[in-house]
Amino acid sequence: DGGITQSPKYLFRKEGQNVTLSCEQNLNHDAMYWYRQDPGQGLRLIYYSQIVNDFQKGDIAEGYSVSREKKESFPLTVTSAQKNPTAFYLCASSIAGWRRNQPQHFGDGTRLSIL
Amino acid sequence: KQEVTQIPAALSVPEGENLVLNCSFTDSAIYNLQWFRQDPGKGLTSLLLIQSSQREQTSGRLNASLDKSSGRSTLYIAASQPGDSATYLCAVFESNFGNEKLTFGTGTRLTIIP
Repeated sequence: DGGITQSPKYLFRKEGQNVTLSCEQNLNHDAMYWYRQDPGQGLRLIYYSQIVNDFQKGDIAEGYSVSREKKESFPLTVTSAQKNPTAFYLCASSIAGWRRNQPQHFGDGTRLSIL
Repeated sequence: KQEVTQIPAALSVPEGENLVLNCSFTDSAIYNLQWFRQDPGKGLTSLLLIQSSQREQTSGRLNASLDKSSGRSTLYIAASQPGDSATYLCAVFESNFGNEKLTFGTGTRLTIIP
């Protein structure tokens, strides 16, 4: 079955620690996205990538980093600079970003908490 | 800056009733509007996508409309079922100088009472 796999489902971070969230897709999609979801605030875009080896900051990129070395993978690192990392993180993908009328497909999310 | 609003934040209706969820947005220069469903602790499932040139889209018991000039969309659910209970999110897709993004509303949490 084609889809998006996020791992782990739950993640705990200690103070001063960097953690990496995994996102893998086998849909052959060019574009991939990372969102953060907080209660009452909806989803906010952290980073997105329209093609391998290229990515752009979203609205709330501070304290996060990404890489896009392979088409199917778009890992997100939450660095120690992100002072309020507790949230539900969602990864999504879509057919080439410039084909603007294609829906985004989402993974099941990773819930990050602070120890 | 685009703002997307969904009212009400929560809605409960008896099973079998038809219902309408509302979404409004402030900037009408959008490429499309999408409706998603989110179950607790899960990701989002795309329900319907309406292109900016379209007025409505239908899928089964769901019908979404778009009035771009007034910045409004509705999601109509016919003959509601307990399995329809979920949070429904709308999002608008924009492209500004190559910066493409979806802007989401905060959602309407729908409960269908058996």
